Amino acid sequence: DAKTTQPPSMDCAEGRAANLPCNHSTISGNEYVYWYRQIHSQGPQYIIHGLKNNETNEMASLIITEDRKSSTLILPHATLRDTAVYYCIVILSNFGNEKLTFGTGTRLTIIP
Amino acid sequence: DAGITQSPRHKVTETGTPVTLRCHQTENHRYMYWYRQDPGHGLRLIHYSYGVKDTDKGEVSDGYSVSRSKTEDFLLTLESATSSQTSVYFCAARGGGNTIYFGEGSWLTVV
Repeated sequence: DAKTTQPPSMDCAEGRAANLPCNHSTISGNEYVYWYRQIHSQGPQYIIHGLKNNETNEMASLIITEDRKSSTLILPHATLRDTAVYYCIVILSNFGNEKLTFGTGTRLTIIP
Repeated sequence: DAGITQSPRHKVTETGTPVTLRCHQTENHRYMYWYRQDPGHGLRLIHYSYGVKDTDKGEVSDGYSVSRSKTEDFLLTLESATSSQTSVYFCAARGGGNTIYFGEGSWLTVV
């Protein structure tokens, strides 16, 4: 699996857009970028994923650079409930016997 | 949660005793994973399974064993629990479209 690098922590004002970066410079052509978040000590929750096009759903937007070496998760109007640890990982598109490894993620704190 | 349940959710045990954590899924997912989470370390993969009786080690597998005798159950065993294995354990399963679903966690304290 490609490795990902994320900043350990970020702050964002409530109501503003939160932009969380992820570097995945060794990503291969058939690997997707996935984002998860973990609130308190709950199980991680799926947010969004993409291959090379930008994606948007009801929770967030995902912007992937043209060379696919980095991406940004955007929470358009952050609320206090978005305070969590956010994980970026890459996953092969086929069902290979891969070890799904998570890094330490980015701890996002939404400031009132 | 894609039908993933973990048991027990909380357990306190003594050093040297065996402990088994169970992960049960109802969606017929082929791939299942056990992670542990400790402060400052994020999620670390212990073992994973890619089918019945097919398992492999993750990055922190020492002191742990797993078994998968049927698709729906993935068991994690600590043969002789140590204080360093006090942690929160998360089970996960990988469904269609590569989406990974997590259980709610099992809190284990070894005293």
